[in-house]
Amino acid sequence: DIVLTQSPGTLSLSPGERATLSCRASQSVSSSDLAWYQQRPGQSPSLLIYGASSRAAGIPDRFSGSGSGTDFTLTISRLEPEDVAVYYCQHYGGSPPGTFGQGTKVEIK
Amino acid sequence: EVQLVESGGGLVQPGRSLRLSCSASGFTFGEYAMSWVRQAPGKGLEWVGFIRSKAYAGITEYAASVRGRFTISRDDSKSVAYLQMNSLTTEDTALYYCTRVSGDLLHYFYGLDVWGQGTTVTVSS
Repeated sequence: DIVLTQSPGTLSLSPGERATLSCRASQSVSSSDLAWYQQRPGQSPSLLIYGASSRAAGIPDRFSGSGSGTDFTLTISRLEPEDVAVYYCQHYGGSPPGTFGQGTKVEIK
Repeated sequence: EVQLVESGGGLVQPGRSLRLSCSASGFTFGEYAMSWVRQAPGKGLEWVGFIRSKAYAGITEYAASVRGRFTISRDDSKSVAYLQMNSLTTEDTALYYCTRVSGDLLHYFYGLDVWGQGTTVTVSS
């Protein structure tokens, strides 16, 4: 089974700082099948990134994704208050085919 | 406006069944794969299953935790997806989201690009 491990569990930063979130797969996966989601408090999740690095419609360019193989990264270049959320990575394919990571919580100091 | 609205949640006793519905609007439902994702109270997201579009034979895939108990189906004429849940346990207590899948799941996966607000299922005696 493919397991996605996200780190850190919680990230606490000041506005304007850079946030780097990690998603590590237990085995090599195709970057074309890796997505990131944002879940703001009390809201449904929303798609941020697909194909490891392509921004979904309407996503500001301060969000970027990168990586390949087993290591993937979501970067928020300049943290804003509305970025407070839990961020999840997801991989499609393999077994199980739709697994999510456990999430990284981003807080504002 | 592209929209997904879930319904059918509620309180159910362990061992009983429940069927959730997901009503879609604002897009050509039959062209898309659909997925269900759940979130237990205070926990992260758990993928439940997918159903491909009819163009890809409506093939379904499920998480191991629900395989054999849950069934996803679709009625393209009504733009509705369903999640039939049998033999429910307390571990199935969660907010259940219906999502649209971008990509055909055979060649492409572009993420879960539309999410509903969710419907709550509570399994308790």
